[in-house]
Amino acid sequence: ETGVTQTPRHLVMGMTNKKSLKCEQHLGHNAMYWYKQSAKKPLELMFVYSLEERVENNSVPSRFSPECPNSSHLFLHLHTLQPEDSALYLCASSQDRSGTYTGELFFGEGSRLTVL
Amino acid sequence: RKEVEQDPGPFNVPEGATVAFNCTYSNSASQSFFWYRQDCRKEPKLLMSVYSSGNEDGRFTAQLNRASQYISLLIRDSKLSDSATYLCVVNPTGGGNKLTFGTGTQLKVEL
Repeated sequence: ETGVTQTPRHLVMGMTNKKSLKCEQHLGHNAMYWYKQSAKKPLELMFVYSLEERVENNSVPSRFSPECPNSSHLFLHLHTLQPEDSALYLCASSQDRSGTYTGELFFGEGSRLTVL
Repeated sequence: RKEVEQDPGPFNVPEGATVAFNCTYSNSASQSFFWYRQDCRKEPKLLMSVYSSGNEDGRFTAQLNRASQYISLLIRDSKLSDSATYLCVVNPTGGGNKLTFGTGTQLKVEL
């Protein structure tokens, strides 16, 4: 079992649908992230939560809405998406330590989203 | 200029070959550097950190050149299992977890 679990693994939705992506980490980490990975583009950081508080919102359109109810769970709520939002959405976690950073993110296997 | 730039490849090499990847970064104030590996249809995983003095982990050697703002990864005695995409990753601020990823360099090791 991986330390970071994402569901669903695949999602197809229409532009008017509302859906959610779920992420759960079993590593005892205190920071969680959403990244977007599109073909031939670098991973794009979308949101960062540290100690359940959102500390980063990288100019992401409001049709993406994150939620972090506790340090183990992270959601990405999706509504009225566009076809260009089709991508692999990766959740990650890390252990934040004040003043130090190891650079190690633990990723889930991703949720592949197709918007029709 | 891209924040982190890599040659996308693919690099096709025979088993046993030595292969090197370079990566350049634009922010001269960047503090920490990493190589991640991503297998096909899998998630990225940390391969190794890159230290100013250079570091080695088995067949893998990572080096940092701050003056020229580039990072390198050398793989010796390539194995079929080394086939993957290698992502150059930079932490531009030195603090926090806002990693900047390159697009990756694809390596294919062949018999």
